[in-house]
Amino acid sequence: AQSVAQPEDQVNVAEGNPLTVKCTYSVSGNPYLFWYVQYPNRGLQFLLKYITGDNLVKGSYGFEAEFNKSQTSFHLKKPSALVSDSALYFCAVRDKNAGNMLTFGGGTRLMVKP
Amino acid sequence: DSGVTQTPKHLITATGQRVTLRCSPRSGDLSVYWYQQSLDQGLQFLIHYYNGEERAKGNILERFSAQQFPDLHSELNLSSLELGDSALYFCASSQGAAYGYTFGSGTRLTVV
Repeated sequence: AQSVAQPEDQVNVAEGNPLTVKCTYSVSGNPYLFWYVQYPNRGLQFLLKYITGDNLVKGSYGFEAEFNKSQTSFHLKKPSALVSDSALYFCAVRDKNAGNMLTFGGGTRLMVKP
Repeated sequence: DSGVTQTPKHLITATGQRVTLRCSPRSGDLSVYWYQQSLDQGLQFLIHYYNGEERAKGNILERFSAQQFPDLHSELNLSSLELGDSALYFCASSQGAAYGYTFGSGTRLTVV
């Protein structure tokens, strides 16, 4: 079965500093990987995806993620964090053996302090 | 606005009751996925419909059922509700995995 792991429940970073939210995956075959963000009382908003091609994927709101096949990782990054980036972040992988549904990691809460 | 519409946004009901949650996918998307988000379980996949047909089932209880209608909107029916069914229920639509998945804003169900 496909799975993703987000090893950190919470990440704290100061505004203006770079941020990284970690994600590792376990899939058979080529992975389709996604990052979503959830603000309080809101739905999941798409940030970026990796399907194929360049290992560095650029997404919304200045976020990017690096696909690393050898380390089976897909870490989310941003060069300079904003207080408004504080939210819950989810990594997900497509499960091609289950109707292409997404399997989500447990989520990482990002806290950006002024 | 993501283009995926879920109604109602909030629902409060008593134990033992039955509710129906509705999802209208983005125009052109044939797939609808239902997820449950609870504090202790994270985001759990419930069921997937593609163009009216059930394609995959996840951790969906027998008390829960779903369907997708010819106009592609989907309904999730929850019956004999228990306190533990209180959660956020999301639907997502897609026209294919490579194109991504768009989520609605969810229905917050509170069972009292």
